[in-house]
Amino acid sequence: AQSVTQPDIHITVSEGASLELRCNYSYGATPYLFWYVQSPGQGLQLLLKYFSGDTLVQGIKGFEAEFKRSQSSFNLRKPSVHWSDAAEYFCAVGVGTGTASKLTFGTGTRLQVTL
Amino acid sequence: DTEVTQTPKHLVMGMTNKKSLKCEQHMGHRAMYWYKQKAKKPPELMFVYSYEKLSINESVPSRFSPECPNSSLLNLHLHALQPEDSALYLCASSQATQGALADTQYFGPGTRLTVL
Repeated sequence: AQSVTQPDIHITVSEGASLELRCNYSYGATPYLFWYVQSPGQGLQLLLKYFSGDTLVQGIKGFEAEFKRSQSSFNLRKPSVHWSDAAEYFCAVGVGTGTASKLTFGTGTRLQVTL
Repeated sequence: DTEVTQTPKHLVMGMTNKKSLKCEQHMGHRAMYWYKQKAKKPPELMFVYSYEKLSINESVPSRFSPECPNSSLLNLHLHALQPEDSALYLCASSQATQGALADTQYFGPGTRLTVL
């Protein structure tokens, strides 16, 4: 069965500093990987996704992620964090089931940004 | 328009009440999902509808009853809930292409449910 691990429960960075959030997956076939962000009390917003092609994926809000098959990783990065990036970040692996996709989420990383 | 709407935003109910959560999307998506999210936890899939038919039920207790009356609307009927069912209930939708592996799920803002 597929699974996702986000080793960091909580990360604090200063505004303007770079950010890397770690994600490791376990899946037998080619994984379909997603990063979502959730602000407090809100739904989830897709930042980016990977399913084939270039292993460096660009997303919204200046985020990017790199897929590394050899390390089973899909880490999220941002060169300069803004205070508004403070939120919960979820990595997920998707499995297709006919015409629906089943997402398995990691436990999440809470990002705090200090001014 | 990539919006999924959910009503109500907040719901407080007693253990003997019957209530319903509503989810709506107008993106032409044919797959719709219910997730349950407890505080400080990731979302957990409950149900999936594909082309208005229930395709996945993740062994959810029968006090939760989903319904998909048409391609734009998804309901979750609640009856005889327990306090541990208090959570954020999220709805999502996706295109439902064959294979669906790369389909993006678009999430609504959720309904915060409190069971007394």
